Amino acid sequence: QQQVKQSPQSLIVQKGGISIINCAYENTAFDYFPWYQQFPGKGPALLIAIRPDVSEKKEGRFTISFNKSAKQFSLHIMDSQPGDSATYFCAASMRQTGANNLFFGTGTRLTVIP
Amino acid sequence: NAGVTQTPKFQVLKTGQSMTLQCAQDMNHNSMYWYRQDPGMGLRLIYYSASEGTTDKGEVPNGYNVSRLNKREFSLRLESAAPSQTSVYFCASSEVDSGFTDTQYFGPGTRLTVL
Repeated sequence: QQQVKQSPQSLIVQKGGISIINCAYENTAFDYFPWYQQFPGKGPALLIAIRPDVSEKKEGRFTISFNKSAKQFSLHIMDSQPGDSATYFCAASMRQTGANNLFFGTGTRLTVIP
Repeated sequence: NAGVTQTPKFQVLKTGQSMTLQCAQDMNHNSMYWYRQDPGMGLRLIYYSASEGTTDKGEVPNGYNVSRLNKREFSLRLESAAPSQTSVYFCASSEVDSGFTDTQYFGPGTRLTVL
C-alpha cells in the first residue's frame, strides 16, 4: 500500500515553462514533506522540504505548496530548464526517536525540452 | 569528505548465492538506512539503524539482514538471493535533531541482478 501517491508518472515541459508535480497522503501523523531530485545513475538528493505549519516554501525556482486539510502537496518548478530534467520524488515522514523513516512516492520523470 | 559510499557499484548473482552490500558515511551521522528502488515503485525502506547498536525493520525487510558495524558502517546482507531481489540498492544517512531539517544523504547505489 503506497503511503504517498504521486502524479504524473512522467511530464514533458518546454524550456521556460512551469512544471507541476502533485502528491497526496493519508497518514495525518506525517510532519515532514521533502522532495528529492535524482539524475540517472545517481542517488536521490534533497531539493526542498516543508513542514505542515506553513502553506508554501520557496527556494529559488522551486516552490512547495502544502494543503494540510486536503492532505496534498505539490512541487512547482518555475522557468524550467533542460538541466532540471530528472526524476522527482515526493516523500513524507513522521518524527520518531532517533530516525525519520521516509515514505516515497513512485516518482515523476521530468523532461524539459530546449 | 566523501559523504556516503557504497560498494560494489554493480553485482550479478545466481539464485541462492549470498552477498553483502557495504555502506559507509563520513558525516558522523547517527542514523543510517537501506532502501531498494524498483521501476514504478519509488524507494522502499528495507532496514534502518537509528543509532549505533540498534537496527529495525522497514517496509520490505524479508530476505535481508543488516549489521551496524560501528557509527560509520551499515551493511546489508542477502543470505539466499532471489530474482525478486533484483533492484538498485541505496544507502542513506541522516542526523535527526530538534531543528527543521531531517535531510537524508544518499549514496550512489548498487545495481544488483539476480539470475
